[in-house]
Amino acid sequence: GNSVTQMEGPVTLSEEAFLTINCTYTATGYPSLFWYVQYPGEGLQLLLKATKADDKGSNKGFEATYRKETTSFHLEKGSVQVSDSAVYFCALRGGSYIPTFGRGTSLIVHP
Amino acid sequence: EPEVTQTPSHQVTQMGQEVILRCVPISNHLYFYWYRQILGQKVEFLVSFYNNEISEKSEIFDDQFSVERPDGSNFTLKIRSTKLEDSAMYFCAIGEGETQYFGPGTRLLVL
Repeated sequence: GNSVTQMEGPVTLSEEAFLTINCTYTATGYPSLFWYVQYPGEGLQLLLKATKADDKGSNKGFEATYRKETTSFHLEKGSVQVSDSAVYFCALRGGSYIPTFGRGTSLIVHP
Repeated sequence: EPEVTQTPSHQVTQMGQEVILRCVPISNHLYFYWYRQILGQKVEFLVSFYNNEISEKSEIFDDQFSVERPDGSNFTLKIRSTKLEDSAMYFCAIGEGETQYFGPGTRLLVL
Protein backbone atom coordinates (compact mmCIF):
# COMPACT_ATOMS: atom_id res chain seq x y z
CA GLY A 1 0.00 0.00 0.00
CA ASN A 2 0.89 3.66 -0.04
CA SER A 3 3.03 5.14 2.70
CA VAL A 4 4.86 8.36 3.51
CA THR A 5 7.91 8.69 5.73
CA GLN A 6 9.01 12.04 7.12
CA MET A 7 12.00 12.96 9.17
CA GLU A 8 11.28 13.10 12.86
CA GLY A 9 11.17 16.43 14.56
CA PRO A 10 11.28 18.78 16.08
CA VAL A 11 13.52 20.67 13.72
CA THR A 12 14.91 23.71 15.52
CA LEU A 13 16.47 26.52 13.52
CA SER A 14 17.50 30.11 13.92
CA GLU A 15 15.80 32.75 11.83
CA GLU A 16 17.20 33.01 8.28
CA ALA A 17 18.62 29.49 8.37
CA PHE A 18 18.11 27.04 5.51
CA LEU A 19 15.38 24.46 5.98
CA THR A 20 15.10 20.92 4.66
CA ILE A 21 12.42 18.50 5.78
CA ASN A 22 12.86 15.10 4.18
CA CYS A 23 9.96 13.11 2.81
CA THR A 24 10.06 9.79 0.98
CA TYR A 25 7.15 7.75 -0.24
CA THR A 26 6.08 4.33 -1.37
CA ALA A 27 3.28 4.09 -3.88
CA THR A 28 2.16 2.24 -6.95
CA GLY A 29 1.74 4.19 -10.14
CA TYR A 30 2.21 7.93 -10.27
CA PRO A 31 0.84 9.64 -7.18
CA SER A 32 0.40 13.34 -6.63
CA LEU A 33 2.50 14.71 -3.78
CA PHE A 34 1.62 17.41 -1.27
CA TRP A 35 2.95 19.38 1.63
CA TYR A 36 0.49 20.63 4.21
CA VAL A 37 1.25 23.03 7.05
CA GLN A 38 -0.53 23.29 10.38
CA TYR A 39 -0.01 26.51 12.32
CA PRO A 40 -0.79 26.44 16.05
CA GLY A 41 -4.52 26.23 16.67
CA GLU A 42 -5.41 25.91 13.00
CA GLY A 43 -6.23 23.18 10.52
CA LEU A 44 -3.99 21.70 7.88
CA GLN A 45 -3.45 24.06 4.95
CA LEU A 46 -2.20 23.02 1.57
CA LEU A 47 1.27 24.54 1.16
CA LEU A 48 2.29 23.18 -2.23
CA LYS A 49 1.87 20.23 -4.51
CA ALA A 50 3.36 18.46 -7.52
CA THR A 51 1.50 16.08 -9.75
CA LYS A 52 4.21 14.46 -11.89
CA ALA A 53 7.88 13.60 -11.88
CA ASP A 54 10.30 16.54 -11.91
CA ASP A 55 7.52 19.03 -11.13
CA LYS A 56 8.48 21.63 -8.56
CA GLY A 57 5.80 22.94 -6.22
CA SER A 58 6.40 26.30 -4.59
CA ASN A 59 4.60 28.69 -2.29
CA LYS A 60 5.57 31.31 0.31
CA GLY A 61 9.28 30.70 -0.35
CA PHE A 62 8.95 26.93 0.17
CA GLU A 63 9.82 24.50 -2.61
CA ALA A 64 9.69 20.77 -3.17
CA THR A 65 10.61 18.76 -6.27
CA TYR A 66 8.93 15.48 -7.19
CA ARG A 67 11.84 13.03 -7.57
CA LYS A 68 10.60 9.73 -8.91
CA GLU A 69 14.05 8.12 -9.06
CA THR A 70 14.54 8.61 -5.32
CA THR A 71 10.81 8.56 -4.43
CA SER A 72 11.29 11.79 -2.52
CA PHE A 73 9.59 15.15 -2.11
CA HIS A 74 11.80 17.09 0.28
CA LEU A 75 10.60 20.48 1.48
CA GLU A 76 13.09 23.35 1.40
CA LYS A 77 13.19 27.04 2.21
CA GLY A 78 16.20 29.26 1.87
CA SER A 79 15.59 31.53 4.84
CA VAL A 80 13.07 30.63 7.52
CA GLN A 81 11.19 33.09 9.67
CA VAL A 82 9.73 32.78 13.15
CA SER A 83 6.29 32.79 11.55
CA ASP A 84 7.16 29.53 9.73
CA SER A 85 7.04 27.68 13.04
CA ALA A 86 4.41 25.00 12.49
CA VAL A 87 3.94 21.31 11.82
CA TYR A 88 4.56 20.21 8.24
CA PHE A 89 2.90 17.13 6.74
CA CYS A 90 3.97 15.36 3.60
CA ALA A 91 1.20 13.48 1.81
CA LEU A 92 0.53 11.58 -1.36
CA ARG A 93 -2.62 10.86 -3.27
CA GLY A 94 -2.85 7.84 -5.50
CA GLY A 95 -5.89 6.60 -7.37
CA SER A 96 -8.54 7.82 -4.95
CA TYR A 97 -9.20 11.21 -3.37
CA ILE A 98 -7.95 9.92 -0.03
CA PRO A 99 -4.45 11.17 0.77
CA THR A 100 -1.92 9.23 2.79
CA PHE A 101 -0.13 11.43 5.31
CA GLY A 102 3.18 11.27 7.06
CA ARG A 103 3.47 11.78 10.83
CA GLY A 104 4.27 15.46 10.52
CA THR A 105 7.47 17.31 11.37
CA SER A 106 7.43 20.14 13.86
CA LEU A 107 9.52 23.18 12.93
CA ILE A 108 10.57 25.65 15.60
CA VAL A 109 12.28 28.84 14.46
CA HIS A 110 13.99 31.02 17.04
CA PRO A 111 14.60 34.75 16.55
CA GLU B 1 -9.85 29.19 -0.05
CA PRO B 2 -12.92 27.51 1.49
CA GLU B 3 -13.27 27.93 5.23
CA VAL B 4 -14.12 25.10 7.57
CA THR B 5 -14.91 25.41 11.27
CA GLN B 6 -15.19 22.65 13.81
CA THR B 7 -16.86 22.51 17.19
CA PRO B 8 -16.01 21.97 19.90
CA SER B 9 -12.32 22.77 19.79
CA HIS B 10 -11.74 20.52 22.80
CA GLN B 11 -13.86 17.84 24.41
CA VAL B 12 -13.24 15.71 27.46
CA THR B 13 -15.51 12.74 27.98
CA GLN B 14 -15.79 9.64 30.10
CA MET B 15 -15.18 6.23 28.58
CA GLY B 16 -18.42 4.76 27.32
CA GLN B 17 -20.05 8.10 26.61
CA GLU B 18 -21.18 9.23 23.19
CA VAL B 19 -19.66 12.30 21.55
CA ILE B 20 -20.68 14.28 18.50
CA LEU B 21 -18.10 16.32 16.64
CA ARG B 22 -19.34 18.98 14.26
CA CYS B 23 -17.95 20.41 11.08
CA VAL B 24 -19.37 23.52 9.43
CA PRO B 25 -18.21 24.42 5.96
CA ILE B 26 -18.87 28.06 5.19
CA SER B 27 -19.83 27.44 1.59
CA ASN B 28 -21.66 24.62 -0.13
CA HIS B 29 -19.65 21.50 -0.83
CA LEU B 30 -20.43 17.96 -1.73
CA TYR B 31 -17.34 16.10 -0.54
CA PHE B 32 -16.59 15.76 3.16
CA TYR B 33 -13.97 13.82 5.03
CA TRP B 34 -13.06 12.94 8.60
CA TYR B 35 -9.52 12.18 9.71
CA ARG B 36 -7.96 11.61 13.07
CA GLN B 37 -4.50 11.98 14.46
CA ILE B 38 -3.54 10.17 17.61
CA LEU B 39 -0.84 12.12 19.41
CA GLY B 40 2.52 11.57 17.76
CA GLN B 41 1.13 9.40 15.00
CA LYS B 42 0.05 9.83 11.40
CA VAL B 43 -3.05 11.58 10.20
CA GLU B 44 -5.42 8.70 9.42
CA PHE B 45 -8.37 8.71 7.08
CA LEU B 46 -11.67 7.68 8.64
CA VAL B 47 -14.47 8.27 6.13
CA SER B 48 -15.50 10.22 3.07
CA PHE B 49 -19.03 11.42 2.43
CA TYR B 50 -20.46 12.44 -0.90
CA ASN B 51 -23.97 13.43 -1.82
CA ASN B 52 -25.25 12.47 1.64
CA GLU B 53 -23.77 8.98 1.54
CA ILE B 54 -20.59 7.34 2.76
CA SER B 55 -18.41 6.85 -0.30
CA GLU B 56 -15.35 5.32 1.30
CA LYS B 57 -14.30 4.32 4.81
CA SER B 58 -11.23 2.91 6.45
CA GLU B 59 -10.99 -0.12 8.70
CA ILE B 60 -10.86 2.27 11.64
CA PHE B 61 -14.40 3.43 10.87
CA ASP B 62 -16.29 0.57 12.50
CA ASP B 63 -19.81 0.38 13.93
CA GLN B 64 -18.78 2.67 16.75
CA PHE B 65 -18.65 5.57 14.30
CA SER B 66 -21.31 7.22 12.20
CA VAL B 67 -21.55 10.35 10.09
CA GLU B 68 -24.42 12.41 8.90
CA ARG B 69 -25.36 15.77 7.53
CA PRO B 70 -28.52 16.44 9.52
CA ASP B 71 -29.49 19.86 8.19
CA GLY B 72 -27.70 20.09 4.87
CA SER B 73 -24.97 22.26 6.37
CA ASN B 74 -23.38 20.73 9.46
CA PHE B 75 -21.46 17.51 9.00
CA THR B 76 -21.16 15.41 12.13
CA LEU B 77 -19.07 12.51 13.35
CA LYS B 78 -20.65 10.52 16.15
CA ILE B 79 -18.61 8.18 18.30
CA ARG B 80 -20.75 5.84 20.36
CA SER B 81 -19.41 4.38 23.58
CA THR B 82 -16.01 6.06 23.44
CA LYS B 83 -12.86 4.15 24.34
CA LEU B 84 -9.59 5.42 25.74
CA GLU B 85 -7.91 4.83 22.39
CA ASP B 86 -10.35 7.22 20.70
CA SER B 87 -8.41 10.09 22.26
CA ALA B 88 -7.06 12.01 19.29
CA MET B 89 -7.37 15.13 17.20
CA TYR B 90 -10.23 14.81 14.73
CA PHE B 91 -10.10 16.82 11.53
CA CYS B 92 -12.90 17.51 9.11
CA ALA B 93 -12.08 18.37 5.51
CA ILE B 94 -14.00 19.43 2.44
CA GLY B 95 -12.94 18.57 -1.07
CA GLU B 96 -12.53 20.62 -4.19
CA GLY B 97 -11.02 18.62 -7.03
CA GLU B 98 -7.92 16.90 -5.73
CA THR B 99 -7.41 19.46 -2.99
CA GLN B 100 -8.83 19.13 0.50
CA TYR B 101 -9.34 21.99 2.95
CA PHE B 102 -9.15 21.15 6.60
CA GLY B 103 -10.78 22.52 9.70
CA PRO B 104 -8.78 23.35 12.83
CA GLY B 105 -9.68 20.06 14.49
CA THR B 106 -11.35 18.89 17.68
CA ARG B 107 -9.12 17.53 20.39
CA LEU B 108 -10.95 14.64 22.08
CA LEU B 109 -9.77 13.24 25.36
CA VAL B 110 -11.42 10.11 26.71
CA LEU B 111 -10.85 9.43 30.40
